[in-house]
Order: sequence, then C-alpha cells, then structure tokens
Amino acid sequence: GENVEQHPSTLSVQEGDSAVIKCTYSDSASNYFPWYKQELGKRPQLIIDIRSNVGEKKDQRIAVTLNKTAKHFSLHITETQPEDSAVYFCAAPWGGAGGTSYGKLTFGQGTILTVHP
Amino acid sequence: DTEVTQTPKHLVMGMTNKKSLKCEQHMGHRAMYWYKQKAKKPPELMFVYSYEKLSINESVPSRFSPECPNSSLLNLHLHALQPEDSALYLCASRDVGGDEQYFGPGTRLTVT
Repeated sequence: GENVEQHPSTLSVQEGDSAVIKCTYSDSASNYFPWYKQELGKRPQLIIDIRSNVGEKKDQRIAVTLNKTAKHFSLHITETQPEDSAVYFCAAPWGGAGGTSYGKLTFGQGTILTVHP
Repeated sequence: DTEVTQTPKHLVMGMTNKKSLKCEQHMGHRAMYWYKQKAKKPPELMFVYSYEKLSINESVPSRFSPECPNSSLLNLHLHALQPEDSALYLCASRDVGGDEQYFGPGTRLTVT
C-alpha cells in the first residue's frame, strides 16, 4: 500500500506571502500526485497534479515540485490571497497487488491554510 | 457535462430509517467511488465500482449498501445508521484511462 504524510497541519500567513505544504510518500512505484483544495462545506477540487516524469509544474500562482529520490512533493502558493484559505490535501496512488488499485488514492491528513488580509 | 452531481444536499435521518444517496455523472467515466469525510479530515474511501462491478469494499459495515445500476448512476443505501455515521458523503468518478478523480458536492448526513 501507500503511506502519505503531510505537513504542516495548520499554516497561517499574511496576504501576499508564500505558503509551502509538504508531503512524503512511501511507495516508490507511485507515479501521480494530485493536490486538492477544499473550502468549507464544499467538494475537494483538484488544483494541480504532477506525474513522476517531471520535477516541477506551475499554474499561475501555484506550483508543485516532486523529488522522486527522496519521495516527497510540495505545493507552493505565491502571493497568497484570502480566498486561498482552505484545507489542502495531497494524495498518492495506492499500488495494490497485481495492479488492482482501481485508481485508489491515499490522502494526506490535510493542511488548514489561513491567509490573513 | 464535466460534473458529478449528488442528491440530496442534506439529509437528516433517525437510527431506524432507511434512506438512499444518489450520485450521477455523464462524463462516460467507468470508475465510481464513495467516500466518507469527517470535518477537516481527508476523504476516507468506502467503495469502488469499476465497470459497474463492486471492486473494492473497504470493510464498510453492512448498514451501508452500495449499488451501481448503470454506468452513470451510483447509489448508497443506508439503514440502521449510528450517530457516528454523521458525515459528508462524497461521490467521485474517474475515466479508467486517466488519473483524476472528479468529486461531487457531497451529501451532508446527520443521524439523530
């Protein structure tokens, strides 16, 4: 299976600062790493993902970096805004025996990000 | 249509009631999922359907009974629930050729 650790559990920043959330995973065969943002009372929404054949991916103020050797990946948010306040979850695929994972994801425990105006 | 829909949005039920949650998608995805989520915790996988067949049951109590009547619909039948079953129930779908899971808005369930 897969074990995903996420840190920090809470993160408080001032508007305009950068925020970084880190996750480690255990299964070296994992090849897909999504990040979800979940606002209060709403669905988890995919904000960015990365596959194991690249080391970094960027989308406007959001970037994700992947270090396959160290088995960790990070979410970077620059120029944070109050609307970035939410719970963020990283995830990694669960390997399963004989490739029978059916797309099962293992989620990190989440990071509550608060951006103060 | 790139959306997963769920009904009802909110549900309050007693411990002796029987109710059902419904999930629908028209993206042609052949993998569908039920998750349970407690406040500020990650989604917890309950069931996975692949090509309308139950493929994973994460040792969920039998008071939760999933059903996939066709490739667009997923139901979760509830019976004799406990107060600790109160949570947000999320449905998700995925194209079996891809990685991304698309989540529905969830049903907020309260068991009294």
